[in-house]
Amino acid sequence: GDSVTQMEGPVTLSEEAFLTINCTYTATGYPSLFWYVQYPGEGLQLLLKATKADDKGSNKGFEATYRKETTSFHLEKGSVQVSDSAVYFCALSDPRGSGGYQKVTFGTGTKLQVIP
Amino acid sequence: ETGVTQSPTHLIKTRGQQVTLRCSSQSGHNTVSWYQQALGQGPQFIFQYYREEENGRGNFPPRFSGLQFPNYSSELNVNALELDDSALYLCASSLDSIAYSGYTFGSGTRLTVV
Repeated sequence: GDSVTQMEGPVTLSEEAFLTINCTYTATGYPSLFWYVQYPGEGLQLLLKATKADDKGSNKGFEATYRKETTSFHLEKGSVQVSDSAVYFCALSDPRGSGGYQKVTFGTGTKLQVIP
Repeated sequence: ETGVTQSPTHLIKTRGQQVTLRCSSQSGHNTVSWYQQALGQGPQFIFQYYREEENGRGNFPPRFSGLQFPNYSSELNVNALELDDSALYLCASSLDSIAYSGYTFGSGTRLTVV
């Protein structure tokens, strides 16, 4: 079945450092890929998405490129801020692999802590 | 446009009891999905409702059931609660049942089973 593997956290960075959170996936079809962010005490918010190979999703300075050849979707940001501290989830959706309906498979999440 | 609202925000139940969680979907969204998020884990898909019918289900036992109403709001019911059911339950709404473009999540209901 479908699966998503993320690097374990927590990841602790100083403000203005470069961020990379690794994500690889396994899927039977041609999934869409997503990054969600969860701030303490809140639900998940969609951060960015990519629907086909070589697409680059971007939002709020974060970027991720859909790499079919390496089955990866790594999240990057050039300069993190304290306000970026949260848990980040990589996810995929593959309707053809799930029987024709939406089912999103999430990774286990990576906690990011940014210190001033 | 309103977002997804869930109620209650926190709940404590005793093992063996039954619980009902509620969700109002975002305006214009016709599909509701429910997820269970255990502490320190990613959300796990429970089921999806589209046009008042369940059209997809994850690996959860039948004691997890749901409803969707004509206004697209939804309920999640869990019978015979077990300690392992303690988790954050997330409701997510979207516009299409198949072409997935991203959910709008509610803030969740934190269920504690003692």
